[in-house]
Amino acid sequence: TQLLKQSPQFLSIQEGENLTVYCNSSSVFSSLQWYRQEPGEGPVLLVTVVTGGEVKKLKRLTFQFGDARKDSSLHITAAQPGDTGLYLCAGGPSGGSNYKLTFGKGTLLTVNP
Amino acid sequence: NAGVTQTPKFQVLKTGQSMTLQCAQDMNHEYMSWYRQDPGMGLRLIHYSVGAGITDQGEVPNGYNVSRSTTEDFPLRLLSAAPSQTSVYFCASSYSLGSGGLYNEQFFGPGTRLTVL
Repeated sequence: TQLLKQSPQFLSIQEGENLTVYCNSSSVFSSLQWYRQEPGEGPVLLVTVVTGGEVKKLKRLTFQFGDARKDSSLHITAAQPGDTGLYLCAGGPSGGSNYKLTFGKGTLLTVNP
Repeated sequence: NAGVTQTPKFQVLKTGQSMTLQCAQDMNHEYMSWYRQDPGMGLRLIHYSVGAGITDQGEVPNGYNVSRSTTEDFPLRLLSAAPSQTSVYFCASSYSLGSGGLYNEQFFGPGTRLTVL
């Protein structure tokens, strides 16, 4: 079983601060997805990264896939209360299809006004 | 499009009861999956299906059955509910991009919160 470890598990910051959350594994993944989940709802995809070293930006969010495709990070600039939620990373198995994802346990982010 | 719908939204069962969690999608997606989400455990795959008539086990399949008679529906059956099955259950669907469906986005339903007493 491929495992994904997310850190930190909990993060509480003030509006306007920057933050980075991490997703690490000892296994290689074919792709890495980041989802955000709000209370009472299902996760929603933010981004997919597929190439080692790849960097993608989504407004104030920057996602990076490690060179060896074993880890990823999510950086949020000038966090806003609307960024509050559970951030989940999910890996597609190397050599396999992405519909059988392995999820990390998530980082619960709270951005205080 | 409604996307992925799940019913019921909440359910309370007694130990030993059986029930079916319903999941339907109207996006003509080939792939459908069931996950459970427990505090501190993330999302764990229970069963998945790559098309009508084809199902397979995920990480935590014990105590659950699935079938896929149509593309749209993927019900999850609890045969004899146990307190350990208290959880939030999510159904998800995704489409094929060819070559085994690499890099697909999974679309999640709103979840069913199940409590087993």
